[in-house]
Amino acid sequence: IAGITQAPTSQILAAGRRMTLRCTQDMRHNAMYWYRQDLGLGLRLIHYSNTAGTTGKGEVPDGYSVSRANTDDFPLTLASAVPSQTSVYFCASSDRATTDTQYFGPGTRLTVL
Amino acid sequence: GQNIDQPTEMTATEGAIVQINCTYQTSGFNGLFWYQQHAGEAPTFLSYNVLDGLEEKGRFSSFLSRSKGYSYLLLKELQMKDSASYLCAVTDSNYQLIWGAGTKLIIKP
Repeated sequence: IAGITQAPTSQILAAGRRMTLRCTQDMRHNAMYWYRQDLGLGLRLIHYSNTAGTTGKGEVPDGYSVSRANTDDFPLTLASAVPSQTSVYFCASSDRATTDTQYFGPGTRLTVL
Repeated sequence: GQNIDQPTEMTATEGAIVQINCTYQTSGFNGLFWYQQHAGEAPTFLSYNVLDGLEEKGRFSSFLSRSKGYSYLLLKELQMKDSASYLCAVTDSNYQLIWGAGTKLIIKP
């Protein structure tokens, strides 16, 4: 059982380009999340999905979009990347979107030049 | 606003005990988590407290006082592999997880 996988592991991207970060979980968790982590700041929630077919905005959603077509996959898209989106991106999942423990993927290190 | 405070960095000696504090001000409370994050890796779950008191799990213990908005993580018999960041996170009234910036723990031989 892999848990949560993310791809790519790292990416250097030119500003203005479109990029999709992939996230797949095999735990049949209902809820999934995308966070960004920047030095000196806590994890900040970008978007979340409480169950397949639904999504919601987190603390820092601008410039990002997500979809949840099925239980396993939760891709994050940057429509037109900007340097301020340089960060480490973590995908996470939990059984329910309440007080259940969140389990994290290995992260994607994104640099926008 | 919602706020979680933790010390930025702490240093301790191998074999010793260290206590990492976390204070929070959130809109509602539905539980507090501690996660460990080694450099360059993903956060991993350590403990969860929803009622007041101490939860012990091997060398690690976590304490919660809801009336004081306060928690601590206690690490005993420190090992070099405990060098990591420790993240405190609180579930608010909307079941959103609010994260502290983390405490970087440096273990010296």
